[in-house]
Amino acid sequence: DVKVTQSSRYLVKRTGEKVFLECVQDMDHENMFWYRQDPGLGLRLIYFSYDVKMKEKGDIPEGYSVSREKKERFSLILESASTNQTSMYLCASSLSWGNQPQHFGDGTRLSIL
Amino acid sequence: AQKVTQAQTEISVVEKEDVTLDCVYETRDTTYYLFWYKQPPSGELVFLIRRNSFDEQNEISGRYSWNFQKSTSSFNFTITASQVVDSAVYFCALSEVYGGSNYKLTFGKGTLLTVNP
Repeated sequence: DVKVTQSSRYLVKRTGEKVFLECVQDMDHENMFWYRQDPGLGLRLIYFSYDVKMKEKGDIPEGYSVSREKKERFSLILESASTNQTSMYLCASSLSWGNQPQHFGDGTRLSIL
Repeated sequence: AQKVTQAQTEISVVEKEDVTLDCVYETRDTTYYLFWYKQPPSGELVFLIRRNSFDEQNEISGRYSWNFQKSTSSFNFTITASQVVDSAVYFCALSEVYGGSNYKLTFGKGTLLTVNP
């Protein structure tokens, strides 16, 4: 079974802090994704990566950056956290072909105070 | 741009009722893939089914069935004899070609299904 592990289930940070959300997958997937989920808005893609050291902007990249130094790990960085970044963050991974499903982690519920 | 519409925001049924979740999509791609995911209260999205644009056969898996109609750009999901454990948010998603050979998903906003005992 594919396992996608997000480092924290719940996280509380303060405005202006630099926040790191970590995601690790154990199935040698090429693709990794970060989404945020907000009520009434569904899942919105923040960033994704098709290979080590590669990254692509998703639909809402502003205020975020990512890092993929190793194939199994994809980090989401909030450079200077703001209250409007309070959300549920979901990480996913998949094989490289278009018909392959994405496998999701349990999510990190991040609160910015 | 691709778009996925799940017009039903919330549905509430009584156990053993049948329920259909609607999904309508827009794409210019000739080859594409459609997915359904389930998100129970625990939060993790669970993959349910994948369908490619060339395969319009309906699919049944136990109490779940999917109806793909290219002519109406719809990929609807029916739960027969619903159970309380079916209570979840259900997402429909469409794959999109990016950069020539890579893909990313566009999700609908989800439908919250509540099955009452």
